[in-house]
Amino acid sequence: AQKVTQAQTEISVVEKEDVTLDCVYETRDTTYYLFWYKQPPSGELVFLIRRNSFDEQNEISGRYSWNFQKSTSSFNFTITASQVVDSAVYFCALSAPRGATNKLIFGTGTLLAVQP
Amino acid sequence: EADIYQTPRYLVIGTGKKITLECSQTMGHDKMYWYQQDPGMELHLIHYSYGVNSTEKGDLSSESTVSRIRTEHFPLTLESARPSHTSQYLCASSWGKNYGYTFGSGTRLTVV
Repeated sequence: AQKVTQAQTEISVVEKEDVTLDCVYETRDTTYYLFWYKQPPSGELVFLIRRNSFDEQNEISGRYSWNFQKSTSSFNFTITASQVVDSAVYFCALSAPRGATNKLIFGTGTLLAVQP
Repeated sequence: EADIYQTPRYLVIGTGKKITLECSQTMGHDKMYWYQQDPGMELHLIHYSYGVNSTEKGDLSSESTVSRIRTEHFPLTLESARPSHTSQYLCASSWGKNYGYTFGSGTRLTVV
């Protein structure tokens, strides 16, 4: 079975604080892909990152960084020096493409509120 | 500029009306999806399509139906809207097996 768990339902921080959003996944597949999406109040989901199961290198993009650890089945997302514009719902997702399918399994999302 | 378009953005409609939510993409993606998102944020897959004339029901049972007559177009229809259908509906598309989804802006549907 495939599953994505985002245990943090809501996080509230003050601007300029660092914040880490947790994501734990389950899959029996050896080849899989992990994603993070951002959903601002306007409603659309914005793609942030894709990581395949063979690449455990951490990634940094500006204030965003991702820590992928296969040993703990985690793919955590850290925002450094948070800003009010980072306020959104963040979804972690898993894809283990089989046959013709490419279904994404989403976590339940973490609502991040950054206070000024 | 969005490559996947959903209309309308907001819709308030009376019970019993028939509605169609439009979704079009200009990327030539073969796979398209409809998600229903309840106020609790969770995303539920309700329909997907691998290509023209291919449609499948998703993980969450839905009274809606879909069609895929053209690659770029994947409309969702509710024959008789009910208040329980009030939700946000998100359309997405993807190319091949190894890529994430591109999402539209969503349709916020309210049935009164």
